[in-house]
Amino acid sequence: AQTVTQSQPEMSVQEAETVTLSCTYDTSENNYYLFWYKQPPSRQMILVIRQEAYKQQNATENRFSVNFQKAAKSFSLKISDSQLGDTAMYFCAFMKLRSEKLVFGKGTKLTVNP
Amino acid sequence: DAGVIQSPRHEVTEMGQEVTLRCKPISGHDYLFWYRQTMMRGLELLIYFNNNVPIDDSGMPEDRFSAKMPNASFSTLKIQPSEPRDSAVYFCASSNAGQTYQETQYFGPGTRLLVL
Repeated sequence: AQTVTQSQPEMSVQEAETVTLSCTYDTSENNYYLFWYKQPPSRQMILVIRQEAYKQQNATENRFSVNFQKAAKSFSLKISDSQLGDTAMYFCAFMKLRSEKLVFGKGTKLTVNP
Repeated sequence: DAGVIQSPRHEVTEMGQEVTLRCKPISGHDYLFWYRQTMMRGLELLIYFNNNVPIDDSGMPEDRFSAKMPNASFSTLKIQPSEPRDSAVYFCASSNAGQTYQETQYFGPGTRLLVL
């Protein structure tokens, strides 16, 4: 069974600075998808970014980018120019190809300080 | 374009009562998922449907839980009888196998359930 580990339960960063959230996963699959979801205090789960394992290029969405290291089974999220609205829980998730089942990590609580 | 709609947003009930949570997926989506979120266990997939048919219910905790999807635009998750340990936030999500990035699931706002 696949597992997703987020080793940082809580992190904080100053506004406008850069922060990196860690995620590792365990799988024997070669093709899969990885996701970062954001859950602000409103509880809404919002997709931040996704990565296909067969793509070598790291995904980027505006201030959010990932560092995908397939051999190391690592999928970290970098947030640049942090904003107060980035304060939220961040969940890393894994999906096996043609599975439709998301496996989530326990989450990292990120606080952006003014 | 409306997202996934869930109702109620909050539910407080007493142990032993029946609870029904409702979900309307994004129009045109053919997959629907029910998740439960607790502090202890994190986010867990309970069940998911494809074209209104239950595909995998292995995450449903016990017989007290049941889910239905009578049509493409509506699903229910029922707990009968409810117990205090069922207190959690329940999320519904949907996705569309016919689209690019079909694997992306879009979540509703969740229902916070408290069983006293």
